Amino acid sequence: GENVEQHPSTLSVQEGDSAVIKCTYSDSASNYFPWYKQELGKRPQLIIDIRSNVGEKKDQRIAVTLNKTAKHFSLHITETQPEDSAVYFCAASSRATGTASKLTFGTGTRLQVTL
Amino acid sequence: DGGITQSPKYLFRKEGQNVTLSCEQNLNHDAMYWYRQDPGQGLRLIYYSQIVNDFQKGDIAEGYSVSREKKESFPLTVTSAQKNPTAFYLCASGDIKGYTFGSGTRLTVV
Repeated sequence: GENVEQHPSTLSVQEGDSAVIKCTYSDSASNYFPWYKQELGKRPQLIIDIRSNVGEKKDQRIAVTLNKTAKHFSLHITETQPEDSAVYFCAASSRATGTASKLTFGTGTRLQVTL
Repeated sequence: DGGITQSPKYLFRKEGQNVTLSCEQNLNHDAMYWYRQDPGQGLRLIYYSQIVNDFQKGDIAEGYSVSREKKESFPLTVTSAQKNPTAFYLCASGDIKGYTFGSGTRLTVV
């Protein structure tokens, strides 16, 4: 089955700096890579995702890059703000067209943005 | 709340007791999932169902059971065979656009 590794487990940055979280996956058939943000005591929420037919996707201050050859993908947050403080999870799945499929999650990165 | 509702929010279980966690969605999603969240271990898949009356074991199914009699509902039973059930349990439903999570149930053994 799929195995997803995520690093670092904790990350502290100053407000305004950039943050990068990296994940690797094992199953070459995986083709869908979402990122979730979980604030303390709340549910995970999808913040961005990427499919295997593109190498990069950007949404305002958040971007995700994918290297299928190396089987790794990364989350980039620029101009960090205190409200970015949360736990971030990467995930991977092999998704057939038109269907949902089970996600395998990384172990999470606790991001702290300090003033 | 967000189309997928979990109840109760907090649940206490005595040793040797079975308990059932509720998960209901009105998003018309075919697929539903149960994950367990422990500190430092991310989300681990317990069971999932991609269609009514069908479900599959995930990575940590031992000590758990599920049913999928209706599209909207996917209850999880934590049986007495689960020796370490204290955790945060998250239900999700999904389609091609991605997952939507419920707000979770925190189960504690007393």
